[in-house]
Amino acid sequence: QLQLQESGPGLVKPSETLSLTCTVSGGSISSSSYYWGWIRQPPGKGLEWIGSIYYSGSTYYNPSLKSRVTISVDTSKNQFSLKLSSVTAADTAVYYCARHLAAAADPLYYFDYWGQGTLVTVSS
Amino acid sequence: DIQMTQSPSSLSASVGDRVTITCQASQDISNYLNWYQQKPGKAPKLLIYDASNLETGVPSRFSGSGSGTDFTFTISSLQPEDIATYYCQQYDNLPPLFGPGTKVDIK
Repeated sequence: QLQLQESGPGLVKPSETLSLTCTVSGGSISSSSYYWGWIRQPPGKGLEWIGSIYYSGSTYYNPSLKSRVTISVDTSKNQFSLKLSSVTAADTAVYYCARHLAAAADPLYYFDYWGQGTLVTVSS
Repeated sequence: DIQMTQSPSSLSASVGDRVTITCQASQDISNYLNWYQQKPGKAPKLLIYDASNLETGVPSRFSGSGSGTDFTFTISSLQPEDIATYYCQQYDNLPPLFGPGTKVDIK
């Protein structure tokens, strides 16, 4: 059974960089059939896709966040990571990692496996 | 940019009722539309992909239809465990975009 688990600090100061890691178990992150993505949800609000990465390192980012986001993959550890720079209170959210399909190395954005989510609060 | 709307924003229905949620895209997205269920404190769960395909393991009381700009999600007989917020999500264009959600309660 595939499992995804987010980890990282639950509190980040304004203007600093938010860093999270998603560890994948029960399957290989190096599969050519999948992309790996980050999605966030501010408290009481809706879902926002942040970006996705393929095992090869190919990335897609939400244009609204692109200037502040870096997603990377470590196939040796079966992990992928999110860095979001210059955070403000508006970045306070539950951050989810999730899997979605790939077709001929292009992403198909239906997210079929999700981590449980981790709340990151931006506050001094 | 594509805009996604859902209606209603919330609804209350009785156990056994048929429940219908609509999702509208601001431009043609073909059938690149998915539906998710999110229970409080939990991650979303994929129910329907490509407008009408039931994800493996999802009960058959859930269904989806539509194409272009107008889509419908239906629960044929509402069960107590269906209490959740339901989101549509388009992926015809980047970025993949979720609708604002519909909260379903038991009357």
